[in-house]
Amino acid sequence: EAGVVQSPRYKIIEKKQPVAFWCNPISGHNTLYWYRQNLGQGPELLIRYENEEAVDDSQLPKDRFSAERLKGVDSTLKIQPAELGDSAVYLCASSLDLGGTFIYEQYFGPGTRLTVT
Amino acid sequence: GENVEQHPSTLSVQEGDSAVIKCTYSDSASNYFPWYKQELGKRPQLIIDIRSNVGEKKDQRIAVTLNKTAKHFSLHITETQPEDSAVYFCAASRAGGTSYGKLTFGQGTILTVHP
Repeated sequence: EAGVVQSPRYKIIEKKQPVAFWCNPISGHNTLYWYRQNLGQGPELLIRYENEEAVDDSQLPKDRFSAERLKGVDSTLKIQPAELGDSAVYLCASSLDLGGTFIYEQYFGPGTRLTVT
Repeated sequence: GENVEQHPSTLSVQEGDSAVIKCTYSDSASNYFPWYKQELGKRPQLIIDIRSNVGEKKDQRIAVTLNKTAKHFSLHITETQPEDSAVYFCAASRAGGTSYGKLTFGQGTILTVHP
């Protein structure tokens, strides 16, 4: 089966410019996550979607970051305007969650490496 | 919120030796503990996970142990090979509430296996 797809793989922009990342989860996966991974650190959750609903966006810097998941499949993460400190790898992950007390495995995409100059 | 501490930050072993990476977590409600392997420039890949209802799980050369009382879990790799060289991340997650499914990662361990 195809894995999580992300594009672009690399993006270089100047500060104050907008940027958008796209993610296509594994077919049938209802839950989608966006993580940010700074150099030398573990990923940190930005936002989690269950179908088209953002159920945890507590760590999303809402003054400049936005996300959407129309129709509960693909998702887009946007930064406007970008700052130097936004340079990182943005990872998308997906899982098939059926609720309850069972946590389902998350599968990651290859990420988008953003460099803000 | 959950906090996960991972040690050591770097680990260097000879091929054939064993490697052990340890993690501690703070939220006693966490009940799912995956381990990811990330090679340079690539995606994190799930290599093994353990749930709070078991104390140990093994998959060929990889094993994970969980001590719920002490709130720590460990990754054990036996008979290491050069292709095991990568960054390894532990993570913790819990069911229920808005944090359901949220993975909190450790800081990572750079494992180097020398031929």
